Amino acid sequence: NAGVTQTPKFQVLKTGQSMTLQCAQDMNHNSMYWYRQDPGMGLRLIYYSASEGTTDKGEVPNGYNVSRLNKREFSLRLESAAPSQTSVYFCASSEGRESETYNSPLHFGNGTRLTVT
Amino acid sequence: QKEVEQNSGPLSVPEGAIASLNCTYSDRGSQSFFWYRQYSGKSPELIMFIYSNGDKEDGRFTAQLNKASQYVSLLIRDSQPSDSATYLCAVARGNTPLVFGKGTRLSVIA
Repeated sequence: NAGVTQTPKFQVLKTGQSMTLQCAQDMNHNSMYWYRQDPGMGLRLIYYSASEGTTDKGEVPNGYNVSRLNKREFSLRLESAAPSQTSVYFCASSEGRESETYNSPLHFGNGTRLTVT
Repeated sequence: QKEVEQNSGPLSVPEGAIASLNCTYSDRGSQSFFWYRQYSGKSPELIMFIYSNGDKEDGRFTAQLNKASQYVSLLIRDSQPSDSATYLCAVARGNTPLVFGKGTRLSVIA
């Protein structure tokens, strides 16, 4: 029962390097999300995909791009990493049907701890 | 900007006591409310969610929602040292993404 799987778990980058964080879910969820968590800042939404084929910016999208590859997979790319992107990144998914009045709970992956030097 | 406010704590309670965690939100149109628990170095895990005014109970946990006053609370009865964690409140309007508070750190003292 994998749920939401993120890779890698840890990564160290130098300023200017690029990388892609991978996320996959096996719960047949429609919506997927990328959050970052910094000390004292809580969880902040970077990008989300309400359904396959759509992506939208969240609160802190600058410096990131995303791809909803298919219903299962949602990747986050850092094109030119900066020290300000040092953070813990969480991918999450939810049922997220658009007809719902209420939102459904998020299920989180285990996180990627990224350090940019 | 939609805001979700939580006291950062730490909130210290003795083992066996009731822990009361509070959360206020700014968007009066919010309809979905969630409580997550996060242990240090781990990912958030869902405790419970509530959509309607009033109380919702699940084991030792009770969520209380008051939309008129724009607050939601989480009560933990018979607190255990294993309940020591950061508790995150999250709020959403319709099917839009959840907005999280910064969390309250709870410490249960044996």
